[in-house]
Amino acid sequence: EPEVTQTPSHQVTQMGQEVILRCVPISNHLYFYWYRQILGQKVEFLVSFYNNEISEKSEIFDDQFSVERPDGSNFTLKIRSTKLEDSAMYFCASSEEARTDTQYFGPGTRLTVL
Amino acid sequence: KNEVEQSPQNLTAQEGEFITINCSYSVGISALHWLQQHPGGGIVSLFMLSSGKKKHGRLIATINIQEKHSSLHITASHPRDSAVYICAVTGNQFYFGTGTSLTVIP
Repeated sequence: EPEVTQTPSHQVTQMGQEVILRCVPISNHLYFYWYRQILGQKVEFLVSFYNNEISEKSEIFDDQFSVERPDGSNFTLKIRSTKLEDSAMYFCASSEEARTDTQYFGPGTRLTVL
Repeated sequence: KNEVEQSPQNLTAQEGEFITINCSYSVGISALHWLQQHPGGGIVSLFMLSSGKKKHGRLIATINIQEKHSSLHITASHPRDSAVYICAVTGNQFYFGTGTSLTVIP
């Protein structure tokens, strides 16, 4: 069964460094999403992406963040100048045709900012 | 403010019990999702609802659009059902509840 994959599974970085989290959505899906979950807290929406552009973004998704689909398969989340509070699990998800469709989640990337 | 509220926050049940988890939301939505998060952190989508009721195996999900309420039922609960169950809605954005932590004891 097709699945969403994410790399790396765990990323440790120093405060102020840039990180890129990578996701490979399911191949025929058109909508892509990034979410984060700070340890012990609820999942929070960051951004959705459709037709090579941002469809929606939350107030969390400020200028520190950017997303890109650099080729036909990868979907990346870049965090510039990481802060301690960026430490969280980051989940990528994809859905087939519409933003209301079932979303398929990747296993997550745990980001630790020291 | 919490656009999505779930109850209870924690639930312990004996194997075989019927379980209900409730979700209320305060925003206009086009879809509601029930998700399962395993102890390792992975998230699996259980249901996507826009009206009525859906059933998959021992799981049943219902939604009442007028009352802005949804329920997830688990019949004949089993220890492998132990997980966090999350209600999420698709509105003008995506909003998540804080989850219900379910433990089913053999």
